[in-house]
Amino acid sequence: DSGVTQTPKHLITATGQRVTLRCSPRSGDLSVYWYQQSLDQGLQFLIQYYNGEERAKGNILERFSAQQFPDLHSELNLSSLELGDSALYFCASSVGAGEQFFGPGTRLTVL
Amino acid sequence: EDQVTQSPEALRLQEGESSSLNCSYTVSGLRGLFWYRQDPGKGPEFLFTLYSAGEEKEKERLKATLTKKESFLHITAPKPEDSATYLCAVPMDSNYQLIWGAGTKLIIKP
Repeated sequence: DSGVTQTPKHLITATGQRVTLRCSPRSGDLSVYWYQQSLDQGLQFLIQYYNGEERAKGNILERFSAQQFPDLHSELNLSSLELGDSALYFCASSVGAGEQFFGPGTRLTVL
Repeated sequence: EDQVTQSPEALRLQEGESSSLNCSYTVSGLRGLFWYRQDPGKGPEFLFTLYSAGEEKEKERLKATLTKKESFLHITAPKPEDSATYLCAVPMDSNYQLIWGAGTKLIIKP
């Protein structure tokens, strides 16, 4: 158990809908990262927050947004969902620039 | 351009057959190299951090080593439960973001 929690574990929704994924980092970690992993693909970095502020952006679509709250938990919002958004979404956390610890992921299925 | 390359893409071994996975990197000023294990449908599990050339870390049947240009993950007498995708990553120069290799899929046959 990495100490990073993600909810929900599974999410099934329809095209055009909006969903919110939630992540709670390890105790003491200030950085939260979001990744997308499509079937048999590598990890695609989406966005990073550090202590409530956006720090880095990767290949994140304009339909996706995220935020980190004062209690350091983070939410990833995905809107106008398309079939191609079906993937595993991972959250990771770190103290600083060191190793990242990953949550169990949310499996999103868009029908 | 900062880059991380892993080889081979896939490796099939018999149980007990030792081998090594490679992670080569080109970054300006290495600030650590991380190894992870990922099982299908699960989040990557942190294994090791290496910071300087010559450093070695061990965990059960795994040993990670680091040179100035690459890292090796040696697997000694592997068991079927060692089957997984092994990923390496290095921090980018500018922020906390990691550059990830594509991974090596390791399959250990009983």
